[in-house]
Amino acid sequence: AQSVTQLDSHVSVSEGTPVLLRCNYSSSYSPSLFWYVQHPNKGLQLLLKYTSAATLVKGINGFEAEFKKSETSFHLTKPSAHMSDAAEYFCVVSPMNTGFQKLVFGTGTRLLVSP
Amino acid sequence: DADVTQTPRNRITKTGKRIMLECSQTKGHDRMYWYRQDPGLGLRLIYYSFDVKDINKGEISDGYSVSRQAQAKFSLSLESAIPNQTALYFCATSDAGTPSSYNEQFFGPGTRLTVL
Repeated sequence: AQSVTQLDSHVSVSEGTPVLLRCNYSSSYSPSLFWYVQHPNKGLQLLLKYTSAATLVKGINGFEAEFKKSETSFHLTKPSAHMSDAAEYFCVVSPMNTGFQKLVFGTGTRLLVSP
Repeated sequence: DADVTQTPRNRITKTGKRIMLECSQTKGHDRMYWYRQDPGLGLRLIYYSFDVKDINKGEISDGYSVSRQAQAKFSLSLESAIPNQTALYFCATSDAGTPSSYNEQFFGPGTRLTVL
């Protein structure tokens, strides 16, 4: 079975400071891992994905995430927050070695960015 | 133009009414999905379809039905809406064709449904 835990429901940062959104996962199979972002009144947009090619994954808008198997973590980071980063972020896990692409979503982390 | 579109974007209805939410895609993907999003719960899978003749229940299918009219169209129906079906509904698609795209899903903008 797969599950995802996003450790913070809300994270507040100031513009220009680093962002860290934490995610731990559990998976019976080698996982694919994703981070999606949802801006207000918008659909979900893929930020980045891990599919075993490299443990450090770079995504759009300066975000990156590191897959750490020993810690079962896939934390999302950005060196310097921008006001436009304010949104809700979802960590998602999916078993890589099955034909059905069932995604298991975390409960989301709302990122607040202050001037 | 958006690759995955949903109509309507917002809908308010009353308890007991039949409602249909529609999803269309121009990505050419075989696989389509319906999710609902509730505050603090993330997204949960309602139904999914691998092709026009293959439809499957997700984790929360009770009270919902679907129709895959064509490769590009996947509709979700609430036969008799109830207030706890008030939620944000998302359609998504994916391509099973290549390893690099394996498991990635592409989402529509969502339909906000309120059942009074």
